[in-house]
Amino acid sequence: QMQLRESGPGLVKPSETLFLTCNVSADSMSTSRYYWGWLRQSPGKGLEWLGNVYYSGTTYYNPSLKSRVTVNVDTSKKQFSLKLTSVTAADTAVYYCARHRSIVGARGAFDIWGQGTMVTVSS
Amino acid sequence: DIQMTQSPPTLSASVGDRVTITCRASQNIDTFLAWYQQRPGRAPKLLVSDASTLESGVPSTFSGSGSGTDFTLTIRSLQPDDFATYYCQQYSDYSPTFGQGTKVDIK
Repeated sequence: QMQLRESGPGLVKPSETLFLTCNVSADSMSTSRYYWGWLRQSPGKGLEWLGNVYYSGTTYYNPSLKSRVTVNVDTSKKQFSLKLTSVTAADTAVYYCARHRSIVGARGAFDIWGQGTMVTVSS
Repeated sequence: DIQMTQSPPTLSASVGDRVTITCRASQNIDTFLAWYQQRPGRAPKLLVSDASTLESGVPSTFSGSGSGTDFTLTIRSLQPDDFATYYCQQYSDYSPTFGQGTKVDIK
């Protein structure tokens, strides 16, 4: 069974950049049916999708965060990453990576999730 | 963005009860809808996709229905493992959005 695991700092200072990595335990990430996504969950905003990446590097981003979010993929390392710039306290959340099962383009349900990693933005 | 509204926010029920959770989309999403279960401290788990297709391994006591703007998740006979929070998610466009969740707790 495929597993995803997030890694990265648990504490980030305001105005700095958050970096998270998701390691994928699978034979390959280069399958046509799946995108790889980042989501987060905070008490105030519930579950929020941040962005997706395809194995080719094609990306889709949440319009409300598009200017601050970058998602990259490295299929040789079986990893994909999240970069979120200019963080504030509002970015404090549990961050999840997930496999996005595509039906058409980057549209579909998230069928496998990482365990999540708590990120706090504080000085 | 397509807004997803769930009701009720909280639902108190007993083991063996039939439970129905509703999700309404702010515009027509056909059947591009998923349901998730989340237990405390855990990641969401996909239960239903395409509004009514049960994921492999999900008990048949769960069922999903609906199309267009109105959807329901039904638990036919509530089991102890089913006390959790449930979320709907639309994927009609390239910006997926979630409902605010329905917490099913013990009456």
